[in-house]
Amino acid sequence: SAVISQKPSRDICQRGTSLTIQCQVDSQVTMMFWYRQQPGQSLTLIATANQGSEATYESGFVIDKFPISRPNLTFSTLTVSNMSPEDSSIYLCSVGQREWDEQYFGPGTRLTVT
Amino acid sequence: AQSVTQLDSQVPVFEEAPVELRCNYSSSVSVYLFWYVQYPNQGLQLLLKYLSGSTLVKGINGFEAEFNKSQTSFHLRKPSVHISDTAEYFCAVSWYSSASKIIFGSGTRLSIRP
Repeated sequence: SAVISQKPSRDICQRGTSLTIQCQVDSQVTMMFWYRQQPGQSLTLIATANQGSEATYESGFVIDKFPISRPNLTFSTLTVSNMSPEDSSIYLCSVGQREWDEQYFGPGTRLTVT
Repeated sequence: AQSVTQLDSQVPVFEEAPVELRCNYSSSVSVYLFWYVQYPNQGLQLLLKYLSGSTLVKGINGFEAEFNKSQTSFHLRKPSVHISDTAEYFCAVSWYSSASKIIFGSGTRLSIRP
């Protein structure tokens, strides 16, 4: 297993601004994932981030809106750009060795856009 | 398209009673199966997983699940629940023959009544 921390834990932001969420892991991991969990709903995968390569985005998510960095094997950031109230969600990072295998999740970042 | 269905969005149960949370998926071919728990204001925690072998899988906190290939189900059970089991439970599936990513169900909110 891995211990994952996220910063910030929560934030309230104004429409049109951007927020960068950090994800730190206590060990080196191959794959990092970013999910969105809208109120009362399940998890939706935003993108997969592997170190040394561009992030792979899922249908409905674009790099201009959700730029991701993965500078090393223990750290990643997700930026939510030009925010609107529809971006209010919990954003979760997770790690795993393979796309189809178990993942370990951070505590999440609760974002409210006003 | 591959899918995961959790038929019950909410399950109210009295303390010390047994519980079953249902999960069905779209195809039984080469699947990996997972149950995650999300306590209030926390990230997801892996309860148990099935990769191969015995169809009855035991997890943490006294939970177990049974893989039923013919019914394409992976129901989660606990013989006697405690107040501390109050949480959201997510079933997740990946199809390793196609190297697919993990797909999460919509979640079941388990509420325990004293």
